[in-house]
Amino acid sequence: EADIYQTPRYLVIGTGKKITLECSQTMGHDKMYWYQQDPGMELHLIHYSYGVNSTEKGDLSSESTVSRIRTEHFPLTLESARPSHTSQYLCASSPRGRLNYGYTFGSGTRLTVV
Amino acid sequence: QKEVEQNSGPLSVPEGAIASLNCTYSDRGSQSFFWYRQYSGKSPELIMFIYSNGDKEDGRFTAQLNKASQYVSLLIRDSQPSDSATYLCASIPGFQKLVFGTGTRLLVSP
Repeated sequence: EADIYQTPRYLVIGTGKKITLECSQTMGHDKMYWYQQDPGMELHLIHYSYGVNSTEKGDLSSESTVSRIRTEHFPLTLESARPSHTSQYLCASSPRGRLNYGYTFGSGTRLTVV
Repeated sequence: QKEVEQNSGPLSVPEGAIASLNCTYSDRGSQSFFWYRQYSGKSPELIMFIYSNGDKEDGRFTAQLNKASQYVSLLIRDSQPSDSATYLCASIPGFQKLVFGTGTRLLVSP
């Protein structure tokens, strides 16, 4: 079944560690997105990509970085985690040129930095 | 002014009633509109899409679009406690990225 996968689902990590949140989709979507969302709060777009080797920063400034070397894979990296990075991170994808499709979201990674 | 505005709620309705969720948008160039449902601690799930003026029905859900008033709504008939969630309205202004509202929290009491 075509879907979008995020790993890990939960991560507790110490301050200063480098972490990579994985996101992969099997739908062949060109566009992929990373959102940050605190409990009960709105979604904030932090990165997006419209295709291989294309990445852009989103509306919310983030200390994370992303890469898009393969269409299906869009990992997010924090070089040095801090408690302020504690949040839920949601990955999403959408096909190019289909405005009625919307975004498909992964299950999310809940990150806690201690 | 946010591009997509929603009342944060909570909107409380009794089981079996009609829940009416509203959303306004500022960009007249917006073509398509979406309603997502997000349960606490989960990711958003697409439940409705609409791009033409008027109503679109899918089961207990009806989306309504009025482009002249820049207004989108979602009606949930025969509301169930399992409908309790946050409902996100989203639009695509000018064929760019989806813009999400802050969401309306719906509480359906048994």
